[in-house]
Amino acid sequence: EVQLVQSGAEVKKPGESLKISCKGSGYSFTSYWIGWVRQMPGKGLEWMGIIYPGDSDTRYSPSFQGQVTISADKSISTAYLQWSSLKASDTAMYYCARRIGGAPSLAWFDPWGQGTLVTVSS
Amino acid sequence: QSVLTQPPSASGTPGQRVTISCSGSSSNIGSNTVNWYQQLPGTAPKLLIYSNNQRPSGVPDRFSGSKSGTSASLAISGLQSEDEADYYCAAWDDSLNGRNYVFGTGTKVTVL
Repeated sequence: EVQLVQSGAEVKKPGESLKISCKGSGYSFTSYWIGWVRQMPGKGLEWMGIIYPGDSDTRYSPSFQGQVTISADKSISTAYLQWSSLKASDTAMYYCARRIGGAPSLAWFDPWGQGTLVTVSS
Repeated sequence: QSVLTQPPSASGTPGQRVTISCSGSSSNIGSNTVNWYQQLPGTAPKLLIYSNNQRPSGVPDRFSGSKSGTSASLAISGLQSEDEADYYCAAWDDSLNGRNYVFGTGTKVTVL
């Protein structure tokens, strides 16, 4: 079974750093892009960026470029999303998802991780 | 901010047909395929429709998708109580900023 399992909920203070993870199993982790999606409380889905674990090629949404860092460790089939200095506005649920389906412009995301809730509060 | 526009809500009684629209532009829906995701309350999104009108294994055939020009739609026929959820369309967008995946604003479906 293809699965993405994310790390647990985090409570942090403004200015602190954080790295959350997404571990893939049941497929060749290095052969599929992994994307990250933000969902702020009561709001919709926002695409943050994507990484190809095979060579760590990374693309960011313009809205998130410079705000977060996406990385991967293919030796342990894990992708990461990290912040160097959290803000209260980073409070959200974060999902990882595997990109599949042919040409890049035709692809979709499946499956999704269960989500990691990040709460930033003083 | 979302570049795909959906109605904020839709509703119907059990057994009815509900349709959700998704409006985009030539840089996204007009040139790329559309996917739909279902998010049940308190859970992660789940792929519902891919490549405009394809259902993944396990998705009931009462869900169907279509696309025409720069718009797409999701239809739920024979609405059931377990279909109460948020639904999002999505597509790749090719612009001067490169290729980005964009989601719709989301539609909350209520079963009356």
